[in-house]
Amino acid sequence: EVQLVESGGGLVQPGRSLRLSCAASGFTFDDYAMHWVRQAPGKGLEWVAGISWNGGSIGYADSVKGRFTISRDNAKNSVYLQMNSLRAEDTALYYCAKDRGGGSSGWTPFHYWGQGTLVTVSS
Amino acid sequence: IVLTQFPGTLSLSPGERATLSCRASQSVASSYLAWYQQKPGQAPRLLIYYATSRATGIPDRFSGSGSGTDFTLTISRLEPEDFAMYYCQQYGSSPVPFGGGTKVEIK
Repeated sequence: EVQLVESGGGLVQPGRSLRLSCAASGFTFDDYAMHWVRQAPGKGLEWVAGISWNGGSIGYADSVKGRFTISRDNAKNSVYLQMNSLRAEDTALYYCAKDRGGGSSGWTPFHYWGQGTLVTVSS
Repeated sequence: IVLTQFPGTLSLSPGERATLSCRASQSVASSYLAWYQQKPGQAPRLLIYYATSRATGIPDRFSGSGSGTDFTLTISRLEPEDFAMYYCQQYGSSPVPFGGGTKVEIK
């Protein structure tokens, strides 16, 4: 059974940093691209970042480019999101999602999702 | 690409047919268009990909159609568990936009 478990969320002041983690199990992790998607309270879905199976292809939403960094450790079956210079508008539930493919030739649909970790940016 | 979903809210009764629309600001290459369902307090679930292909385990009352800039998700006969939010998504290259969503609510 595929499982994606996010962690690392919490309350953080504007301008500070936070690192999210997603631990994956139930599939061959280093065969698949992974993504972070967020959802602000009461709002819709927003793709944040994606990383291919080997980290060779990475993409970011314009809203986080230059502030957030996605990475992965295939030995630990984990994907990470380093979030710097956090703003109030980054407040959201952050989901980790598994791509249907490896990501080397582009992204494909997200067919498994975790339950999310909540990030609140407030002073 | 910007994805616009309409209507914002669809009020229907169980057993009725639901038609949800998603319009892209530019043509979607290779019909790289997916639909997701999200219920309150839950993560999204993939329903449809490549505009018309049902994901594993999705009932055949869900169907997708369209190409280019106009796409449709149809639920042939609404079951009580189908009342939820629905999002379209264009994938393939970065960024990966989602539509604003359509809420299907019980009338």
